[in-house]
Amino acid sequence: AQTVTQSQPEMSVQEAETVTLSCTYDTSESDYYLFWYKQPPSRQMILVIRQEAYKQQNATENRFSVNFQKAAKSFSLKISDSQLGDAAMYFCAYVSGGSNYKLTFGKGTLLTVNP
Amino acid sequence: GAVVSQHPSWVICKSGTSVKIECRSLDFQATTMFWYRQFPKQSLMLMATSNEGSKATYEQGVEKDKFLINHASLTLSTLTVTSAHPEDSSFYICSATGTRTYEQYFGPGTRLTVT
Repeated sequence: AQTVTQSQPEMSVQEAETVTLSCTYDTSESDYYLFWYKQPPSRQMILVIRQEAYKQQNATENRFSVNFQKAAKSFSLKISDSQLGDAAMYFCAYVSGGSNYKLTFGKGTLLTVNP
Repeated sequence: GAVVSQHPSWVICKSGTSVKIECRSLDFQATTMFWYRQFPKQSLMLMATSNEGSKATYEQGVEKDKFLINHASLTLSTLTVTSAHPEDSSFYICSATGTRTYEQYFGPGTRLTVT
């Protein structure tokens, strides 16, 4: 079974600084997708960024970028120019390229942004 | 696009009664819908997967007779918590995927309190 590990239960960053959230996963499959979801205090799950395993290029969405290391099974999220609105729980998630579409989530990292 | 709604957003019910939660995909046809349960400061726990017109597939340890899931159309899935007890109090989140996509779109969640 696939597992997703987020080793940082909590992280903090100063406003305007950069922070990196770690995520590792374990799978024997070659076709899969990885996601970072943000859950602010409203508890609405928001997709931050996605990465297809077959793509070598790291995904980027504005201030958010990933460092996808397929051989190391690592998928870290970098947030640049952190803003107060970035404060949230961040979940790393994996889904197999098979047909069941089921997401496997990490336990989450609570990010605090200090003004 | 890809908006998922849930109703109600907050419900309080008495022990022994049943409560129904609706999940709707507003602007796309959801081939698969998922129901999650989330306890405070924890990750999402998948309860079941449902496909339109088929019986739901429950995760191990989830009581199918207690958590009834119906996916009657490509835009609507319902979760009914039968004979609710205080330990069923939790935050319930639904999500949906469209055709040929591995990305899940999440509803805003429903907070259930059983008194």
